[in-house]
Amino acid sequence: AQSVTQLGSHVSVSEGALVLLRCNYSSSVPPYLFWYVQYPNQGLQLLLKYTTGATLVKGINGFEAEFKKSETSFHLTKPSAHMSDAAEYFCAVSLTNTGNQFYFGTGTSLTVIP
Amino acid sequence: NAGVTQTPKFRILKIGQSMTLQCTQDMNHNYMYWYRQDPGMGLKLIYYSVGAGITDKGEVPNGYNVSRSTTEDFPLRLELAAPSQTSVYFCASSLPGLDNEQFFGPGTRLTVL
Repeated sequence: AQSVTQLGSHVSVSEGALVLLRCNYSSSVPPYLFWYVQYPNQGLQLLLKYTTGATLVKGINGFEAEFKKSETSFHLTKPSAHMSDAAEYFCAVSLTNTGNQFYFGTGTSLTVIP
Repeated sequence: NAGVTQTPKFRILKIGQSMTLQCTQDMNHNYMYWYRQDPGMGLKLIYYSVGAGITDKGEVPNGYNVSRSTTEDFPLRLELAAPSQTSVYFCASSLPGLDNEQFFGPGTRLTVL
């Protein structure tokens, strides 16, 4: 069963434009949610995470995400894209009823057009 | 701290050969993970470990084996390499708990011909 769905495998935005990367999850229990970024030929780095508490989470490099339980979503946004934001972005979920396992989405490749 | 290190960076295997992918972390993390990354498929968990001597299967364990004799090391073994195992392999580690950040190594690119 698919636990994490990322809509749009490729997203292009102009430099300075809003970045919106979509992530939906399926879970019958409260999940922990993460966004990771992967630059070419590198491992993944954490951008931000939601565990409990405030549903709007701020991360590094100006990114933020909002946990919406009613929509089972955790979309990633940034008000103004920078060339250095070009990378692959992965949404991930850990589910407390599946042991110590993590599920990653298929990724969204972000291109920033000068 | 070096973080999570993986060796080798690249490897080409022939069908039926075996090899071990090495992973070491110096952050004293109890939890360690092995993932494979295939184009358009995201990362799939192969095996994980919550401490020395304890390992368990992830989503795609077939064709792989692991061991965890120390906190620092978590090698992944391929016994009979198959073309379907061509992939990029990432090792990661974290503190205990599902809410903690995973720290990833730089990856090993494996090709099986």
